[in-house]
Amino acid sequence: AQKITQTQPGMFVQEKEAVTLDCTYDTSDPSYGLFWYKQPSSGEMIFLIYQGSYDQQNATEGRYSLNFQKARKSANLVISASQLGDSAMYFCAMTPGSYSTLTFGKGTMLLVSP
Amino acid sequence: DAGVIQSPRHEVTEMGQEVTLRCKPISGHNSLFWYRQTMMRGLELLIYFNNNVPIDDSGMPEDRFSAKMPNASFSTLKIQPSEPRDSAVYFCASRQGAHQETQYFGPGTRLLVL
Repeated sequence: AQKITQTQPGMFVQEKEAVTLDCTYDTSDPSYGLFWYKQPSSGEMIFLIYQGSYDQQNATEGRYSLNFQKARKSANLVISASQLGDSAMYFCAMTPGSYSTLTFGKGTMLLVSP
Repeated sequence: DAGVIQSPRHEVTEMGQEVTLRCKPISGHNSLFWYRQTMMRGLELLIYFNNNVPIDDSGMPEDRFSAKMPNASFSTLKIQPSEPRDSAVYFCASRQGAHQETQYFGPGTRLLVL
């Protein structure tokens, strides 16, 4: 079975600072994909970034980067230069190689203050 | 390009009534997913279609729930009869290609069963 753990229910950060949201995963599949989604208060699920298990480099998308440590089974999201609009719930998710659907963590609520 | 389209965006109904949620995936995507989000259980998969064929419906709560995908551009999720515990946000997502490709979510349908 696959499992995603997000241990931080909530995080606070000041505008323009960097923040790291933690995610650990568990799977026996050698091939898998890791995703981060953002859910603002309006409710939609917005795709942020993807990391494949065989990717040699950490994924980056603008201010988002994924700190992928395969041996530790962690896939932390790093947001640089936080903005007020980054305040939202953030979900880590995984698709193992043998299965097609996403398993989600419980999420981390990020609040960015001025 | 249009994203995943869901309707209605909000639905309020009384216990015992039939509810039908609709989804139009992104054109060209061959996989479609229905998820449910609640505070207690988080995001959970209900059913997954590939090329209009249901592949995994193990997440469908009970016989009151049914889903169809008559063609590549339309899917429905039906609850009959509805119960207050069905109150949740229902998301439809679609994906193109292999299992580790990104799933893109619709805006969700907020269902309240009184």
